[in-house]
Amino acid sequence: DTGVSQDPRHKITKRGQNVTFRCDPISEHNRLYWYRQTLGQGPEFLTYFQNEAQLEKSRLLSDRFSAERPKGSFSTLEIQRTEQGDSAMYLCASRPGESGNTIYFGEGSWLTVV
Amino acid sequence: AQSVSQHNHHVILSEAASLELGCNYSYGGTVNLFWYVQYPGQHLQLLLKYFSGDPLVKGIKGFEAEFIKSKFSFNLRKPSVQWSDTAEYFCAVNANFNKFYFGSGTKLNVKP
Repeated sequence: DTGVSQDPRHKITKRGQNVTFRCDPISEHNRLYWYRQTLGQGPEFLTYFQNEAQLEKSRLLSDRFSAERPKGSFSTLEIQRTEQGDSAMYLCASRPGESGNTIYFGEGSWLTVV
Repeated sequence: AQSVSQHNHHVILSEAASLELGCNYSYGGTVNLFWYVQYPGQHLQLLLKYFSGDPLVKGIKGFEAEFIKSKFSFNLRKPSVQWSDTAEYFCAVNANFNKFYFGSGTKLNVKP
């Protein structure tokens, strides 16, 4: 399967713990996005990368959240000192460069903070 | 800020009924418009998209959508739904080639 892959698919963690999610985009897609989705809502933009550069971050991304894409390929999203309000589906998506204007989503990583 | 509104949160139809899901967006410039579908237990998938040209676009599985610029709308339609269309549908707008904004989604339940 050459789609966007995310790992882990499900994570249950205790409040205050750190969690990290990984995203492997479609190969040769230089743009990578992170979104968050909660029940009853559509995906909310968190941040996006063009190659290894993080070009924009949403105000939703508090200081406890950090995303990286060190070599312009896979990306990680880390949440430090998790809170119950962080419980959500974290979606990764990728798209080609300027010539491609459709984003392709992974299956998401479910986070439950207890 | 850009926003996307989907009027119907939950729609219940019988098989063979016609479907229309509303989507309005707020952005005054050039936009690219999308409908994504999420089947139960699956990831978001592209249903159809509009970039330019004919405002009536056709997508997969018999879906179509019409872009009406004057109304800032991009409604999704299907003449005859099937039970397999049961899913959640999201309208999305891309206004600056970078960020994509999504509506809150419409859950469609098709009764067999």
